[in-house]
Amino acid sequence: ILNVEQSPQSLHVQEGDSTNFTCSFPSSNFYALHWYRWETAKSPEALFVMTLNGDEKKKGRISATLNTKEGYSYLYIKGSQPEDSATYLCACSNDYKLSFGAGTTVTVRA
Amino acid sequence: EADIYQTPRYLVIGTGKKITLECSQTMGHDKMYWYQQDPGMELHLIHYSYGVNSTEKGDLSSESTVSRIRTEHFPLTLESARPSHTSQYLCATWTGGLNEQYFGPGTRLTVT
Repeated sequence: ILNVEQSPQSLHVQEGDSTNFTCSFPSSNFYALHWYRWETAKSPEALFVMTLNGDEKKKGRISATLNTKEGYSYLYIKGSQPEDSATYLCACSNDYKLSFGAGTTVTVRA
Repeated sequence: EADIYQTPRYLVIGTGKKITLECSQTMGHDKMYWYQQDPGMELHLIHYSYGVNSTEKGDLSSESTVSRIRTEHFPLTLESARPSHTSQYLCATWTGGLNEQYFGPGTRLTVT
């Protein structure tokens, strides 16, 4: 089991503000890091899959960075909107399975 | 778009009953997974399969069992439900490597 930790557990952000949160993972034997967004009553959906140290990926107002040497990834939401309210999960993978963190629940207040 | 189906979506059942949670996919993915999640907790892997006739236990011990007779189906069975089995169960598929996992909508199980 890979110990994946996410912080904070939850956060509230005002509409229009930017925010970020962290995923930490064991840096040894690292293969890939996944980010998923899980909206209430829906299935988790993939945001990013990252593997290279220093990699940065972007999808609209959401971006992620990866530091495999120190074992952390940041997810950024720029100009938060109510539709960004969701639980954001990160997971580490090897070749055959993923280990998930407990998620960061983001609530965007209008 | 991923096509993964789980039935039922919600189930309330009494202690001691046998239940089967269905998971089916139309993408032809070999790897399939069952996760269990309690509120505020991690998704815990309870079973996975590499393909037909392959089943493996996950990281979290579970009293449930699975089967993989066909690529499309990966049902999960509880022979005798107990209140401790109350949880959300998510099914997923994966092609491995640097690809994403695809998730079903989940089954929320309550055992009274």
